[in-house]
Amino acid sequence: DAKTTQPTSMDCAEGRAANLPCNHSTISGNEYVYWYRQIHSQGPQYIIHGLKNNETNEMASLIITEDRKSSTLILPHATLRDTAVYYCIVRVEDQGGKLIFGQGTELSVKP
Amino acid sequence: EAQVTQNPRYLITVTGKKLTVTCSQNMNHEYMSWYRQDPGLGLRQIYYSMNVEVTDKGDVPEGYKVSRKEKRNFPLILESPSPNQTSLYFCASRLTGARYNSPLHFGNGTRLTVT
Repeated sequence: DAKTTQPTSMDCAEGRAANLPCNHSTISGNEYVYWYRQIHSQGPQYIIHGLKNNETNEMASLIITEDRKSSTLILPHATLRDTAVYYCIVRVEDQGGKLIFGQGTELSVKP
Repeated sequence: EAQVTQNPRYLITVTGKKLTVTCSQNMNHEYMSWYRQDPGLGLRQIYYSMNVEVTDKGDVPEGYKVSRKEKRNFPLILESPSPNQTSLYFCASRLTGARYNSPLHFGNGTRLTVT
């Protein structure tokens, strides 16, 4: 079972920041949080990952709470092309470090 | 361009006719894996490989085989496909060792239909 909980769906206005929450209350001390997105039936696209410090790259920012039990993915200026299913994943040690995909959050960016 | 390439993108076949889905990566990654995606079940790992000549079962390995004779290639083999293997398949790869937490990179998928 996935170690994360996300809202099923969210809406965001084009040009505004999209803040996608994720709960991972059972995360272990050395487990990283990864974010991916999937547009239609394309391959999941890596966005960002982190352990305990906040992270930022050209796509997004990742804010992890101090207790590491939750995190938020921030898309600073959402565009229509950001409409996708976003997955928050805690990678487990099992099977060489497999990713357990939950149902994700379906983000709809609206004009 | 760094990428994971799967072929074919679409495949329709009949029950029992052996098929192979190829996967190749040009990033010199040690770890490769196969996932299948089904509605309501999400993505599930079929097989994975930590390096050349090392393969292991994932969560749903029944009916599938894999091989890892070269670092860049990780084909998925269905010896006798059945309709319940109709699915969307993804190959993925990443670094290991000191870069253990490097992200997994996915291919664009193969949509398989078995009639």
